Amino acid sequence: QLVLTQSPSASASLGASVKLTCTVDSGHSTYAIAWHQQQPEKGPRFLMKLNSDGSHIKRDGIPDRFSGSSSGAERYLTISSLQSEDEADYYCQTWGTGFRVFGGGTKLTVL
Amino acid sequence: QVQLQESGPGLVKPSETLSLTCTVSGGSITTNYWSWIRQPPGKGLEWIGYIYYSGSANYNPSLKSRATISLDTSKNQFSLRLSSVTAADTAAYYCARDYGTGWSDYWGQGTLVTVSS
Repeated sequence: QLVLTQSPSASASLGASVKLTCTVDSGHSTYAIAWHQQQPEKGPRFLMKLNSDGSHIKRDGIPDRFSGSSSGAERYLTISSLQSEDEADYYCQTWGTGFRVFGGGTKLTVL
Repeated sequence: QVQLQESGPGLVKPSETLSLTCTVSGGSITTNYWSWIRQPPGKGLEWIGYIYYSGSANYNPSLKSRATISLDTSKNQFSLRLSSVTAADTAAYYCARDYGTGWSDYWGQGTLVTVSS
């Protein structure tokens, strides 16, 4: 059973940077993931697909402030120059034949 | 730009069947995978299942065969039926397009379904 682990919460100050982590379980450490953003009272929005080698493809219109990277089983979403609208829940997702899996989500608070 | 819109009853009685439809615009349903995902109030996302344009479907085993997803290519829609619902099925239900083999790249805005008598 593939499991994605995310910290429940994170916080950072306006204008600062934050790095969110999604950990793929050790038996599936080469899996790619996708990052999604869910702003309060809204549906999720796809941000980017992130491969195990750190290469990523962002959705059109996603600011350069959002970037992805990888190290081993860890997949990262870095948001720089934090803005108030970045306060949201962030979910990672992975997939395979016959299944999709979501991480538990990280609630990002912009101070 | 692909757009998805969920529709269906907002209130379903316990033990009955929840039925939702997702209408796709800006793209054809005869390509890609199409998923249903739900989110209980205050909780995270849970994948329910997907259907491929060929009509083959896969489901989350945790739903114990209660879910059925189908396609209506004439209307560019796909649907979800979830049988024998309980209060634990109360959630916002989202439909999504899955790009390639897997990730959801376009989402609907979601519809809240409450299970209550």
